[in-house]
Amino acid sequence: GEDVEQSLFLSVREGDSSVINCTYTDSSSTYLYWYKQEPGAGLQLLTYIFSNMDMKQDQRLTVLLNKKDKHLSLRIADTQTGDSAIYFCAESRTGGYNKLIFGAGTRLAVHP
Amino acid sequence: DTAVSQTPKYLVTQMGNDKSIKCEQNLGHDTMYWYKQDSKKFLKIMFSYNNKELIINETVPNRFSPKSPDKAHLNLHINSLELGDSAVYFCASSQGTSGEKETQYFGPGTRLLVL
Repeated sequence: GEDVEQSLFLSVREGDSSVINCTYTDSSSTYLYWYKQEPGAGLQLLTYIFSNMDMKQDQRLTVLLNKKDKHLSLRIADTQTGDSAIYFCAESRTGGYNKLIFGAGTRLAVHP
Repeated sequence: DTAVSQTPKYLVTQMGNDKSIKCEQNLGHDTMYWYKQDSKKFLKIMFSYNNKELIINETVPNRFSPKSPDKAHLNLHINSLELGDSAVYFCASSQGTSGEKETQYFGPGTRLLVL
C-alpha cells in the first residue's frame, strides 16, 4: 500500500532525548524527509536524508535510516518546550515525477 | 522575506460558492504543488506543476482546477464548494523534480471552512 506509518503521540520530559519513528513502503524512494508543524502554522523542513546514507546529524537532530527494514527515525537531543509540535515523516515517491507521501504525524509533547 | 506565500490565510464560505486560493514563491523554483491537510492532519498531494506544465494530478474532483500563470505562481480554484472541502490547503515549491532539487518548501497554509 501507500502507507507511511508513524506512532501518533510521544511525551518526553524537557532535557531528555526524543525519538520519533517512521516506517515507509517504497524501497526505491530516493529521499526521506522530516517536517515540523507547530499549531496553526505551516510545515517547516527540518532535515532530509538520501537513501544511500544511514545517518545524518544536524545540531540537535540525528536521522537514522535502516533501508533494509524501511525504518527511519528522528532523534532530538536535549528536547525543549519549543520542540512541541507535530512531526511528519515523508518519502519521495519516484516513478515519473516525485511526490511526497506523508505519515499521519507524531504529536510530540514536552513537559517540565 | 516570505519564501512561499499563500492568500488568503483564512477563508470561510458557504456551500455552493466558488473560491480561489493564491500561491507565490520567490525562490526561483521551477516546480510547485498543492496539498490538502484534513482534520486529522493527514496530508495528501493534489497537483504539481513544473515550468507551468501540469505533471501530477491525483484523484481530485474536477471542481478543483489549478492554474499556473507563470513559474512563480500556482493558484487553486474550487467550484461548487462542499462541506468535505473544509481543510487546510498547503502550497509548496521545489527547485526541480530530481535529486536534492526535489526538496519541497511549504507555505503557511490556507484554512478553508465551508459552512
